[in-house]
Amino acid sequence: GAVVSQHPSRVICKSGTSVKIECRSLDFQATTMFWYRQFPKQSLMLMATSNEGSKATYEQGVEKDKFLINHASLTLSTLTVTSAHPEDSSFYICSAKRQGARPQHFGDGTRLSIL
Amino acid sequence: QQQVKQSPQSLIVQKGGISIINCAYENTAFDYFPWYQQFPGKGPALLIAIRPDVSEKKEGRFTISFNKSAKQFSLHIMDSQPGDSATYFCAASSNDYKLSFGAGTTVTVRA
Repeated sequence: GAVVSQHPSRVICKSGTSVKIECRSLDFQATTMFWYRQFPKQSLMLMATSNEGSKATYEQGVEKDKFLINHASLTLSTLTVTSAHPEDSSFYICSAKRQGARPQHFGDGTRLSIL
Repeated sequence: QQQVKQSPQSLIVQKGGISIINCAYENTAFDYFPWYQQFPGKGPALLIAIRPDVSEKKEGRFTISFNKSAKQFSLHIMDSQPGDSATYFCAASSNDYKLSFGAGTTVTVRA
């Protein structure tokens, strides 16, 4: 168990477009989900923590108005990149964890390319 | 500023050999230390994790060694196989559950 599905796997769009990425826990309830960003050949950088039913908390330097996070149910969190620009191009990955458990289970990421 | 320092950046090992990756941390509030394996274009997959009250944990060919006093931990991959070729990340978290990742180690296993 502990499968996390992320959709879409790849997005290519024009500058100025808003893009929504979905993260679903398929076989468990995820009270907490996390959103990461990974540049080529680099490590994962935490962007924000999303708790079901409450506002997301953002890491320092991450613009909350640009990266909108919603965690409306125990199995779904969404990340919307608003008015995306080429510098937002990256690999975005979500993870989810059960309440009280430590392991985070990751989705397969979304490759976002802004032209 | 990386809270977890990982080395080496890359390593090449012969099939059947042992791969060793090292990590060090400073934050004494860290109490959970997982290792993840990532293939190109995929998300990280949890391999094995350890808590500081244990000095060693083994799962199959993967072993974590943990030295609390030195604030270091390492991953040993025994009998390395070509399918183990991937990038490995160590990580650490405290009771806020936020993972701090190391920079990653690219392992190449030569047949």
